[in-house]
Amino acid sequence: GQNIDQPTEMTATEGAIVQINCTYQTSGFNGLFWYQQHAGEAPTFLSYNVLDGLEEKGRFSSFLSRSKGYSYLLLKELQMKDSASYLCAVRDPDKGGYNKLIFGAGTRLAVHP
Amino acid sequence: KAGVTQTPRYLIKTRGQQVTLSCSPISGHRSVSWYQQTPGQGLQFLFEYFSETQRNKGNFPGRFSGRQFSNSRSEMNVSTLELGDSALYLCASSTEGNQPQHFGDGTRLSIL
Repeated sequence: GQNIDQPTEMTATEGAIVQINCTYQTSGFNGLFWYQQHAGEAPTFLSYNVLDGLEEKGRFSSFLSRSKGYSYLLLKELQMKDSASYLCAVRDPDKGGYNKLIFGAGTRLAVHP
Repeated sequence: KAGVTQTPRYLIKTRGQQVTLSCSPISGHRSVSWYQQTPGQGLQFLFEYFSETQRNKGNFPGRFSGRQFSNSRSEMNVSTLELGDSALYLCASSTEGNQPQHFGDGTRLSIL
């Protein structure tokens, strides 16, 4: 089966840097997404990795190592509004599973002053 | 460009009833996927529709069904509601290729 693991909760200080890890065990690989979800709101797309390496987008960066089944989301210059759940998701590796995402349980990040 | 629109936002039903949820995708998006989100199970894939055809299906019982219309709007139906069906139901749309799915605000379904 497919399995995605990420820490349940993390805390960090405003202005600091935090790294949220995600490991996955899947029968294949077609790409990995990170989404942000504030309480009571829809998940919003942050980043997409399909090749190894770092993708940078403003204060957010995401890294992928396919050989290790590992990704991380790096948030810099943390702001209070970054307090949210961060969801790691992989595309279903089966043929045709392109828009079927398998989600981890999410990491609740609390940013404090 | 308008985002993904889901109606209604909130719904209260009783056990045994049925419910229909609606999703209007972003203009030009032909793929619509449905997910169930609960505190215990997280986000779980229900099914995906593309060009009015179900293209993928998750591991949910047959009480959960859906359809897609020619304008890409989609509906999801749950029959014989159970207490465990209480959840946030999210719809997401996307184009083809390496494009992300964009989520609506969801319908929060409560079963009494």
